[in-house]
Amino acid sequence: AQSVTQLDSQVPVFEEAPVELRCNYSSSVSVYLFWYVQYPNQGLQLLLKYLSGSTLVKGINGFEAEFNKSQTSFHLRKPSVHISDTAEYFCAVSEPNDYKLSFGAGTTVTVRA
Amino acid sequence: DAGVTQSPTHLIKTRGQQVTLRCSPKSGHDTVSWYQQALGQGPQFIFQYYEEEERQRGNFPDRFSGHQFPNYSSELNVNALLLGDSALYLCASSSNNYGYTFGSGTRLTVV
Repeated sequence: AQSVTQLDSQVPVFEEAPVELRCNYSSSVSVYLFWYVQYPNQGLQLLLKYLSGSTLVKGINGFEAEFNKSQTSFHLRKPSVHISDTAEYFCAVSEPNDYKLSFGAGTTVTVRA
Repeated sequence: DAGVTQSPTHLIKTRGQQVTLRCSPKSGHDTVSWYQQALGQGPQFIFQYYEEEERQRGNFPDRFSGHQFPNYSSELNVNALLLGDSALYLCASSSNNYGYTFGSGTRLTVV
């Protein structure tokens, strides 16, 4: 079974600064990778996903992530954050013949003016 | 186009009671998955329903059961509630295993 490690539980960042959220998964088999955002008292919204192809994936709201198979990583980046990016971010993984998403514990991003 | 709809949004139950949560999938989706998200943690997979059958189950006790109806909507039932069952319960629908849409969840508090 896959496991997901989000290396930072909390990331404080100033507005307009860049941010990187780190995610590693456990297996080198073929995987699908996802980043979700959760605003307070809400469900999960998909930011981006990697299924195959280009290792650089662009998502909504200016986010992008890079898949690195050799390091089993899928780090999320944004070059310039806004106050509205304050939220919980979850990395998730699934396998082509599996039906569940395995989530990391989440990273809380707090953007300060 | 409505997304995933869950009801109720909040619920308070007493230990030992039973609860039913409901989910209507996004239009065009035929698969429903349920997740439990405890406070401060990532969501944990409970089970997935497809063609009215439980297709896959996570590591949850038999107190957790579900159902899928012909219109693809789904229910999650939890019997003999424990304090530890307090969590946000998320429903996700899809038409494949890489395009999940999540609802806003039902916040269950067991007292």
